[in-house]
This record gives sequence, structure tokens and C-alpha cells, in this order.
Amino acid sequence: DQQVKQNSPSLSVQEGRISILNCDYTNSMFDYFLWYKKYPAEGPTFLISISSIKDKNEDGRFTVFLNKSAKHLSLHIVPSQPGDSAVYFCAASAQAGTALIFGKGTTLSVSS
Amino acid sequence: SQTIHQWPATLVQPVGSPLSLECTVEGTSNPNLYWYRQAAGRGLQLLFYSVGIGQISSEVPQNLSASRPQDRQFILSSKKLLLSDSGFYLCAWSVGFTLGGYTFGSGTRLTVV
Repeated sequence: DQQVKQNSPSLSVQEGRISILNCDYTNSMFDYFLWYKKYPAEGPTFLISISSIKDKNEDGRFTVFLNKSAKHLSLHIVPSQPGDSAVYFCAASAQAGTALIFGKGTTLSVSS
Repeated sequence: SQTIHQWPATLVQPVGSPLSLECTVEGTSNPNLYWYRQAAGRGLQLLFYSVGIGQISSEVPQNLSASRPQDRQFILSSKKLLLSDSGFYLCAWSVGFTLGGYTFGSGTRLTVV
């Protein structure tokens, strides 16, 4: 049973436009959420995170939004660049001391 | 600075053969260590995690085992590989379970033939 769901396996966006990647979770105990970016044949790298006490966190072109009532978070990339093309994983954990649970990932393709 | 080493980068093994993947971390003490697997259509699946020497938690029943013989060494093993063990195996470390996130190694591409 998947606790973290990324229902869109892929997303194609033109350079300069906004990319919106979505993630839903089912475990109400989750209170810390992260996004990772992964290139082929490499390990994922941390991108941005948000704790449940916030509903928005921004870092440069990347913004993560959290809607706790809907158990939904999203990653916005503005403006999108070709170098952003990668697989993006949403991850969540509960402060009770459990490991990160990842979604299946969304492959983002940004065309120039 | 902290670094994580994972080897080998690629591995082709016949069905029924044993497996040993090694991961070591430098520049930190008492890290949490993790093994994840990325298989087609499955995303990043947590296999094992360890909070200390000799302490292993298994998340998914399977044909694999893990050991932590030293503070900064984490080993993934199998006595007899199955075709379904093919995938991209990733080791990661963290300080505690959250907050700072995880740092991943570069991964091992395992193909069981």
C-alpha cells in the first residue's frame, strides 16, 4: 500500500514555463516532506523540504506548497530550464523516527 | 566534509549467485544508514535501515539481507539472487531520520541474468 503517491509518471514543459509536480500522501502522521531530484545512473539529490507547520517554502526557482487538509503537496519550478529535466521524487516521514518513504517519481522533461 | 562511497557501480550476476554490495560513509559518526532500491515502475523502495552497529530494520520481506559490521559500513547481501532482484540499489545516510534529509551514494546497477 503506497503511502506516498505521485500519480503522474511524466510531465513535459517548455523552457521558461512553470512546472508543477504533485504528490499525495495517506499517512496523517507524516509531518516532514522533501523533494529529491535524480538523474539517470546517479543517486537522488535533495532539492527542498517543508515541515507540517508551514504551508509554503521557497528556494530560488523552487517552491513547495503543502495542503495538510488535502494531504497534498506540490513542487513548482519557475521558470523551468532544460537542466531541470530529471526524475523528481516526493518523500515523507513522521517525526516518530521512521525512514523516508518515497513516491514512484515523476519524470520531468523541459524542452527548449 | 561527509562523503558516501558505494561500489561496484554496475554488476551483472547469474541467477542463484550470491551478492554483496558495500557502502561506507566518511566524515560523520553514528549515522543512520539506508538501502533503497529503484526498480522499474516501483520508485524508491526502502529495503533496510540501521541506526547503529548490528541494528538492522527490514522494511520489505525479500531475498536480501543487510549487515552493519562497523559504524560507517553498511552491506547488502543475498545468498541466491533472483531475476526480480535486478534494479538500481542506493545507499544513503542521515543524521537522525529527518530534518537534514538523506545523502545518497551514486548507486549500483544490478542486472540478474
